Amino acid sequence: GESVGLHLPTLSVQEGDNSIINCAYSNSASDYFIWYKQESGKGPQFIIDIRSNMDKRQGQRVTVLLNKTVKHLSLQIAATQPGDSAVYFCAENQAGTALIFGKGTTLSVSS
Amino acid sequence: GAGVSQSPSNKVTEKGKDVELRCDPISGHTALYWYRQSLGQGLEFLIYFQGNSAPDKSGLPSDRFSAERTGGSVSTLTIQRTQQEDSAVYLCASSLDGNEQFFGPGTRLTVL
Repeated sequence: GESVGLHLPTLSVQEGDNSIINCAYSNSASDYFIWYKQESGKGPQFIIDIRSNMDKRQGQRVTVLLNKTVKHLSLQIAATQPGDSAVYFCAENQAGTALIFGKGTTLSVSS
Repeated sequence: GAGVSQSPSNKVTEKGKDVELRCDPISGHTALYWYRQSLGQGLEFLIYFQGNSAPDKSGLPSDRFSAERTGGSVSTLTIQRTQQEDSAVYLCASSLDGNEQFFGPGTRLTVL
């Protein structure tokens, strides 16, 4: 599968590959992290979240990893499908504050 | 159940005109947020309402921007004397717990 060590604005994968999207967050005090998927012309849609007392959380076909030491967040998508093509944003906050969004990564899945 | 709704979905206006954008949050959500997304960019925080507390306006880019939330539910974002750089998608989100935020579809504003 494809992986990126640093944030890249675009990621192209083949259907069935595993995808890894990386994000560096900015605020050491953030205790909540979330990944959103945004399709063209739509608002961001929740994918998965994680709190700072965890370093890994799994959902359906998605896994989020949190490394607080280096302030790094990643989203892993297993068996990527064409319907996964979208822009993916990571975001961070402390409870009750606005989300701080990272730069998006455009995932393109070819069949 | 109904999600966050926004109206209008698209708004085209002339430079110098005022515009009002509306957000209907999910029923029962006490927190409401406005963000702006310029073409191909991430989301930029504008303003945040939590219950009856004074709103956090720290993200508003100028005094031409204002927002209100009536009765703890519907919110209106007003942009006075619009400029071309105000063209963007304006997104509203609501939250029950202050963490996960549910987004509406956005209002695409075009200032000619």
